Amino acid sequence: DIQMTQSPSTLSASVGDRVTITCRASQSITNWLAWYQQKPGKSPKLLISKTSNLESGVPLRFSGSGSGTEFTLTISGLQPDDFATYYCQQYHSYSSFGQGTKLEIK
Amino acid sequence: QLQLQESGPGLVQPSETLSLICTVSGGSTNTNSFYWGWIRQPPGRGLEWIGSILQSGSADYSPSLKSRISMSIDTSRDQLSLKLNSVTAADTAVYYCARMIRPRSGYVFYSFYMDVWGKGTTVTVSS
Repeated sequence: DIQMTQSPSTLSASVGDRVTITCRASQSITNWLAWYQQKPGKSPKLLISKTSNLESGVPLRFSGSGSGTEFTLTISGLQPDDFATYYCQQYHSYSSFGQGTKLEIK
Repeated sequence: QLQLQESGPGLVQPSETLSLICTVSGGSTNTNSFYWGWIRQPPGRGLEWIGSILQSGSADYSPSLKSRISMSIDTSRDQLSLKLNSVTAADTAVYYCARMIRPRSGYVFYSFYMDVWGKGTTVTVSS
């Protein structure tokens, strides 16, 4: 099984900040990584696929990068709507998710 | 606009079988372009991929759940189903159905990511 580890688990930030969430895989997943945003009581929303491909309608302040075992999600210029929990997911082999990063208002 | 709606009992007895249906609207399950499947999220915890199925009925399951899972698809009704047997309290979760994409490179098929999600249904395993 490929284990996905996100850091930090919780991130406190302010509107306008630039934040980065890291996701590490226990083995190389090449670039088969997705990022999701989930708000309380809602289903996850796909933000990024294949490490850096932004889904249609997702604001350009979201970006993804990385390869192999280390990946990042960056949000440049946080907006009030961005405070949520973010999950990474590898789909190289038997899809698995990170434990989540809760982005909260400082 | 594609929508997915999960339905099924909210309470299941321990050792019994959990059965859920997902109804797809605004699109067809009769396509080779997408898979359809299930993900769950225990209370206050992260996400777990359960399994994925193609229109042909060919399915892939999570290794950790494979011995207890059965999935099927009815493309005439645009419905997919999940059965999970011998449930315990650890199976208590919100269960989501989703449309899934499976990349391939030549003859190599990778796993699945989810581009459209249902709203989820809460299933509690308790006597």
